[in-house]
Amino acid sequence: DGGITQSPKYLFRKEGQNVTLSCEQNLNHDAMYWYRQDPGQGLRLIYYSQIVNDFQKGDIAEGYSVSREKKESFPLTVTSAQKNPTAFYLCASSDSLPAGHTEAFFGQGTRLTVV
Amino acid sequence: AQSVTQPDIHITVSEGASLELRCNYSYGATPYLFWYVQSPGQGLQLLLKYFSGDTLVQGIKGFEAEFKRSQSSFNLRKPSVHWSDAAEYFCAVGGPGSGGSYIPTFGRGTSLIVHP
Repeated sequence: DGGITQSPKYLFRKEGQNVTLSCEQNLNHDAMYWYRQDPGQGLRLIYYSQIVNDFQKGDIAEGYSVSREKKESFPLTVTSAQKNPTAFYLCASSDSLPAGHTEAFFGQGTRLTVV
Repeated sequence: AQSVTQPDIHITVSEGASLELRCNYSYGATPYLFWYVQSPGQGLQLLLKYFSGDTLVQGIKGFEAEFKRSQSSFNLRKPSVHWSDAAEYFCAVGGPGSGGSYIPTFGRGTSLIVHP
């Protein structure tokens, strides 16, 4: 079945560590996104990518980095510069305009906790 | 810049009662509009979407939404709520970002509580 796979489901990070969240899609979508979700704040855009080897900062990119070396993969690294990384992270993908009208499809999320 | 407002943080309804969740958006052109549902600890599932055409949109699980351009609204409705509808609901607006890309922007969500 086509979809988006995020791993791991739960992740624990020590202070000062970098951690990488995985996101893989087999929907053949051009665009991929990372959102951060905190209680009562909805989804906030961290980074997005419309094409391989290109990505753009979203609203809250500080302390995060991404890469897009393959169409199907868009890993997110939470660096030690991110002061409050504990959150639920969601990856999504969609077809990129003007290919057609499409909604964003989401993975099941990764819950990151700083210990 | 595009934005979405969901004025109700929590909504409580009795099972079998009707439901309306409010959504207002800000966008400079004709928007793409969406409603998603999220169960605890899960990703988001699309309920319905509006791109153009008929302003009353039917979705999955018996939900519908109406696009009202004059009010910049896209409210979600269901005539009879089931206990399994208890979840977080997100309204989203999509529009071009840099280079013609498509960036969905989400509201803060409305938590639906269903009483038996």
